[in-house]
Amino acid sequence: DTAVSQTPKYLVTQMGNDKSIKCEQNLGHDTMYWYKQDSKKFLKIMFSYNNKELIINETVPNRFSPKSPDKAHLNLHINSLELGDSAVYFCASKRGREQYFGPGTRLTVT
Amino acid sequence: GQQLNQSPQSMFIQEGEDVSMNCTSSSIFNTWLWYKQDPGEGPVLLIALYKAGELTSNGRLTAQFGITRKDSFLNISASIPSDVGIYFCAGRVDSNYQLIWGAGTKLIIKP
Repeated sequence: DTAVSQTPKYLVTQMGNDKSIKCEQNLGHDTMYWYKQDSKKFLKIMFSYNNKELIINETVPNRFSPKSPDKAHLNLHINSLELGDSAVYFCASKRGREQYFGPGTRLTVT
Repeated sequence: GQQLNQSPQSMFIQEGEDVSMNCTSSSIFNTWLWYKQDPGEGPVLLIALYKAGELTSNGRLTAQFGITRKDSFLNISASIPSDVGIYFCAGRVDSNYQLIWGAGTKLIIKP
């Protein structure tokens, strides 16, 4: 079974704040991802990261930055939060050929 | 960004009915995937397809990799209440490319 975990599950914060979402996978996967799912449920890739390469979706504002303290973690930092950042954020991890998702973090910016 | 055309957008069905949904692309893919997302959870991989014409089953679910490489189909037989959720298709050219996602098909079972 996959073991991709995210914290927190829910995050409510005010505009202008800086926040982080943590992601951990404990299966030794090589590549991790962050996705944003909007209110229409569309999944949008934000970042993919392995030991060697960070690939950034060019449409992602630079207020968003992934940080990987070690191979098992890929945290998402968001600066100067805006109302439009409200969404569900999913971390995913790749084992073999395919991606496996965490449970998601619902971010609400007020 | 690029998005797959997934249809239908939503389906209202009776328990016990069979369900069909599909995904099309304007470009060729070498991998097609089907995921299911339950409310409040992340997408879960159901079926992965790697070869044109391939037909793969996972219990009551059957998915096919279209022969043109530009489409894929998912069928669910004899639907049950726990089948409700959003089904996503995803495709890619090869493992070095990002997944391209459909917008999802929301399955609702009428009481």
